[in-house]
Amino acid sequence: GAVVSQHPSWVICKSGTSVKIECRSLDFQATTMFWYRQFPKQSLMLMATSNEGSKATYEQGVEKDKFLINHASLTLSTLTVTSAHPEDSSFYICSARMTSGRNGRNIQYFGAGTRLSVL
Amino acid sequence: GESVGLHLPTLSVQEGDNSIINCAYSNSASDYFIWYKQESGKGPQFIIDIRSNMDKRQGQRVTVLLNKTVKHLSLQIAATQPGDSAVYFCAENAGGFKTIFGAGTRLFVKA
Repeated sequence: GAVVSQHPSWVICKSGTSVKIECRSLDFQATTMFWYRQFPKQSLMLMATSNEGSKATYEQGVEKDKFLINHASLTLSTLTVTSAHPEDSSFYICSARMTSGRNGRNIQYFGAGTRLSVL
Repeated sequence: GESVGLHLPTLSVQEGDNSIINCAYSNSASDYFIWYKQESGKGPQFIIDIRSNMDKRQGQRVTVLLNKTVKHLSLQIAATQPGDSAVYFCAENAGGFKTIFGAGTRLFVKA
């Protein structure tokens, strides 16, 4: 399958600092990428849809000024957690969508996730 | 709101047996369904998908069944192996955009 690289895999930061997470599609172009948040033993919650060359679409309840998303190229989207606080500690996962096949299947391939711990 | 859910949060099976993981969805407009496997500390891994114009699709050791009448999806794993132990999510997609995940089922495979 297609490869999506997410970096860093683990980050610890002090409260009040900002953290940037990168998501790259390595062997395909992705006009659309997605950012999810996952708490322990829970499902993935969609935070926002990142569209190349335009503003991200945020889900209800997600603060766009808190979670800045930039999708500057067809292979890279970044999520910046601004002024991070302990309650932002979580597992953040990105995915990139690839349309393939005669039936136009839209398969999302996921990165390995980033574990953020805010002290 | 619309959601995708699972009947069983935990499933324990003996190595070599077949596993069946169930999922219910509520959005009748969903036309594409996917099963993902997530191991601890990793991102979800695509297993198999099915479009709404099909009711069955088979892969290597896995089969997905779709019953649109009762809005039910299932994942069957044949000859379950210890490496199959993980959390399995069903996900639905309506119109080719957002993918919404269900609650997840943890599969334990006993040796």
